[in-house]
Amino acid sequence: KNEVEQSPQNLTAQEGEFITINCSYSVGISALHWLQQHPGGGIVSLFMLSSGKKKHGRLIATINIQEKHSSLHITASHPRDSAVYICAVVTTSGSRLTFGEGTQLTVNP
Amino acid sequence: DSGVTQTPKHLITATGQRVTLRCSPRSGDLSVYWYQQSLDQGLQFLIQYYNGEERAKGNILERFSAQQFPDLHSELNLSSLELGDSALYFCASSRTVDPYNSPLHFGNGTRLTVT
Repeated sequence: KNEVEQSPQNLTAQEGEFITINCSYSVGISALHWLQQHPGGGIVSLFMLSSGKKKHGRLIATINIQEKHSSLHITASHPRDSAVYICAVVTTSGSRLTFGEGTQLTVNP
Repeated sequence: DSGVTQTPKHLITATGQRVTLRCSPRSGDLSVYWYQQSLDQGLQFLIQYYNGEERAKGNILERFSAQQFPDLHSELNLSSLELGDSALYFCASSRTVDPYNSPLHFGNGTRLTVT
């Protein structure tokens, strides 16, 4: 079993829909990162969080440390949001990132 | 623009060869991380340097080595290349030694193809 699991693996939505991507982890963590990987391959860091909730534009990330779960929400989705979204955790056992397998999001116009 | 520069963007080479990937971190960032993304393995942490010193090691093969120079740029050396080394190699940088204290900034990656 992977230490970081994301769901769903693939998600197709219509423009304007509210989207949720989930991340569950089984190890102790210091922080959790949400990353966005564009079709061209480049990776952008969206959020880094260790508790609570963060918001940036139409993106919201939440984390529940007790339940070992984080969610990434996209409000009013747009085709330009189409990308792979990757959850990564910083384990307390070391200063390294352990990655989920990613969620491929496709937003259709 | 993340401020992290990786060169080259693409690299095609033959099995058994040696290549060097280069990364210039964002201005002010002291930590450099190397990651490998292959189709079957996803993203994997290879190695981290902080201010010239090796800080953490992940799933890095013995055929691979890295270093960070006094100007903070880093190089990842891959030798005795095998077909399975074909992957996207990403460099990321951050301000602090630990990846939970400051955001990560990723380069655009080097796509290595071994034929």
